[in-house]
Amino acid sequence: DSGVTQTPKHLITATGQRVTLRCSPRSGDLSVYWYQQSLDQGLQFLIQYYNGEERAKGNILERFSAQQFPDLHSELNLSSLELGDSALYFCASSVAFTSDNTDTQYFGPGTRLTVL
Amino acid sequence: KNQVEQSPQSLIILEGKNCTLQCNYTVSPFSNLRWYKQDTGRGPVSLTIMTFSENTKSNGRYTATLDADTKQSSLHITASQLSDSASYICVVSAYVPNSGYALNFGKGTSLLVTP
Repeated sequence: DSGVTQTPKHLITATGQRVTLRCSPRSGDLSVYWYQQSLDQGLQFLIQYYNGEERAKGNILERFSAQQFPDLHSELNLSSLELGDSALYFCASSVAFTSDNTDTQYFGPGTRLTVL
Repeated sequence: KNQVEQSPQSLIILEGKNCTLQCNYTVSPFSNLRWYKQDTGRGPVSLTIMTFSENTKSNGRYTATLDADTKQSSLHITASQLSDSASYICVVSAYVPNSGYALNFGKGTSLLVTP
């Protein structure tokens, strides 16, 4: 158990809908990262927040957005869902933010999203 | 073309044997390279992180090497155990001025250790 929690564990929804995935980092960690993992694309980095501020952006679609709240939990919002958004979404956390990205990241168990 | 290529795509070995997984990259400018182990349906677990100046790093039975000149890394697993069966993912981070960093992921090597 990494100490990172994600809810829900599974989510089934229809195309065009909007969902929110939630992540609670390890106690004391200030950075939160979101990743998407699909069978055809593999693991992809979406976005990083540090202490409430966006710090790095990866391949995040405009239909997706995220935020980190004052209590350091984070939410990933996915809207206008398409079949291709079906994937495992992982949240990871690390203690701080290093400009060279060498902090050890601890991954949560993931949320499996199925879009029908 | 993916900037991080891993080989082999899959590998089957007998319990107790050693194996080596490869990661070749073209990412530039290089910042660091990570190896992750991912069990099926679970989140990745960090094995090693190496920066430009490091050429070997160990974590128990896992030893990663990095040759920044040839842009190659390997992950050597010694005395394999059934629990080593997993996907191993290589991730190379590039430094991006004024933006931080960009992560480049390999497709992973699927390792199966059999009794």
